[in-house]
Amino acid sequence: QSVLTQPPSVSGAPGQRVTISCTGSSSNIGAGYDVHWYQQLPGTAPKLLIYANNNRPSGVPDRFSGSRSDTSASLAITGLQAEDEADYYCQSYDNSLSGCVFGGGTKLTVL
Amino acid sequence: EVQLVESGGGLVQPGRSLRLSCVGSGFTFDDYAMHWVRQAPGKGLEWVSSISWSSGSLGYADSVKGRFTISRDNAKNSLYLQMNSLRSEDMALYYCAKGYGSGIYFGIDVWGQGTTVTVSS
Repeated sequence: QSVLTQPPSVSGAPGQRVTISCTGSSSNIGAGYDVHWYQQLPGTAPKLLIYANNNRPSGVPDRFSGSRSDTSASLAITGLQAEDEADYYCQSYDNSLSGCVFGGGTKLTVL
Repeated sequence: EVQLVESGGGLVQPGRSLRLSCVGSGFTFDDYAMHWVRQAPGKGLEWVSSISWSSGSLGYADSVKGRFTISRDNAKNSLYLQMNSLRSEDMALYYCAKGYGSGIYFGIDVWGQGTTVTVSS
């Protein structure tokens, strides 16, 4: 049972928009700690996709965007492409656990 | 290029110990917090432990508290994870990861390729 809750899977057709939710609590996202998103392609290490809620590292397409509100956050992917098929994880900090927390991961399937 | 290279994984019997190492390059190692994150086969990411830039702040997941010890040697650009009393549930790919800030509450911006720990008799 992960501290941050994500849907196990989402899917969409090429060109469509999908969103992945990440629900936390008052000791993590709700306490004001930033949310970060990672993309993990099959057989590879995770890669930072969004940091501090809504910031994209250099090289990440602007098709990826993040938002945060109250105790939850969302990752949106527009103009879905086959290469976006991967696992996506949200992450934050939890002050009751005094450590990082991850969501359980969401598998994105491009139909 | 920022790079993290882990080593030290392998096959170990339950109850025994193992020490993981990670060497960072391409960045000022002692400016950033560092983390260990693991991933069991077919499972999601699980945070294991974090250490701030100065080693002043440490954090451990409940599942490893009291058994694992994180440390760093900034002079050697190195991060370590001493794992004692290993259990079958510790079997995973262990990633060394760099925070994008000095404190352990910052996110991770760079990941190593991982080192595999297998716990079996």
